[in-house]
Amino acid sequence: DIQMTQSPASLSASLGETVTIECRASEDIYNGLAWYQQKPGKSPQLLIYNANSLHTGVPSRFSGSGSGTQYSLKINSLQSEDVASYFCQQYYDYPWTFGGGTKLELK
Amino acid sequence: EVQLQQSGAELVKPGASVKLSCKTSGYTFSNYYMSWLKQMPGQNIEWIGNIYGGNGGTGYNQKFKGKATLTVDKSSSTAYMDLSSLTSEDSAVYFCALTTVATFAYWGQGTLVTVSS
Repeated sequence: DIQMTQSPASLSASLGETVTIECRASEDIYNGLAWYQQKPGKSPQLLIYNANSLHTGVPSRFSGSGSGTQYSLKINSLQSEDVASYFCQQYYDYPWTFGGGTKLELK
Repeated sequence: EVQLQQSGAELVKPGASVKLSCKTSGYTFSNYYMSWLKQMPGQNIEWIGNIYGGNGGTGYNQKFKGKATLTVDKSSSTAYMDLSSLTSEDSAVYFCALTTVATFAYWGQGTLVTVSS
């Protein structure tokens, strides 16, 4: 199975700040990567697919980048509603696997 | 509007089975895959498998073969997941998710399964 490693596991940032979350795959996943946001007690919501494509309705302050085994999610101008956990997911190979998550809190 | 409505929380005894449902609306059920996912409290998300709404064709994560069985009822646009021989390790929230291009574009609200005697 492809292992997905996210960093950091938790993150504290101020409103208006730019935040970056990293995701490393155990092998090349050829941009087969998605990012999800999960607020407490809620189901995850798709943010980014194909490593850098914004899902419908997702604010443009979210962006994804990367290639090969290294990917990142950037949140520009952090808003209070962005407090959540974020997960990466690879879909290059079965079984589809997720990173361990990054919990984002306000400073 | 795409909606996935999952069945309510379950409290089941060890060794028993449980069947979860995911009733859909707002899209053509037979044209898409439905995935099921597991999330234990405060932990990672695991993909269990998926099923094609058109013909019931399935794909499973090897880890969940023998544990989960996925089925669909096209007439009611509903997906089901049977979980068998339940243990405490099966206590988790289970999600159904509409799968497009291998990503989980829309999710149900989740069903909490608690395995306890």
